[in-house]
Amino acid sequence: DTGVSQNPRHKITKRGQNVTFRCDPISEHNRLYWYRQTLGQGPEFLTYFQNEAQLEKSRLLSDRFSAERPKGSFSTLEIQRTEQGDSAMYLCASSPRLGAFFGQGTRLTVV
Amino acid sequence: TQLLEQSPQFLSIQEGENLTVYCNSSSVFSSLQWYRQEPGEGPVLLVTVVTGGEVKKLKRLTFQFGDARKDSSLHITAAQPGDTGLYLCAGPAGYALNFGKGTSLLVTP
Repeated sequence: DTGVSQNPRHKITKRGQNVTFRCDPISEHNRLYWYRQTLGQGPEFLTYFQNEAQLEKSRLLSDRFSAERPKGSFSTLEIQRTEQGDSAMYLCASSPRLGAFFGQGTRLTVV
Repeated sequence: TQLLEQSPQFLSIQEGENLTVYCNSSSVFSSLQWYRQEPGEGPVLLVTVVTGGEVKKLKRLTFQFGDARKDSSLHITAAQPGDTGLYLCAGPAGYALNFGKGTSLLVTP
């Protein structure tokens, strides 16, 4: 399978804990996006990488959120001190230029 | 922020009917994309339109980009239950790719 892969698919965590999600993009895609999606809404842009450089971050991305893409390959999104409001689907997408190819997402539930 | 407004928000129709959903903005976009998303899955890219006035067809789906590149429409002919899902439009804004809130389509047999 050469699509975008996200792990884990589901994560349940207690409020205040840290969580980390991983995204493996399509190998030849140099562009990578992270999004958050809640029920009934479209995906909300969080951050964008071109190769290893993080070129844009949304104002939605508070200082508890950090993303990395070492060596321009896989990417991680970490949320520190999780809050109940962080419960959402976290989506990763990669792109060659136009159009984005999404993974299946990580469903985060903060209890 | 370049906002994309999608309408209608919800649409419930019977199999065989035709429908059109809309994506509008006050901003000009260099391109617009349409995606379909099923519950619990990531969005799947359907089409990218880049030229004002462009029309693209994908089987029973017809996509149109407005002449001024501020709006787009998706027309489905003879809808089938398999067309059920959330239809999203998206456009670039700087490095970001911004999405509308989507049209949730339900096609019943």
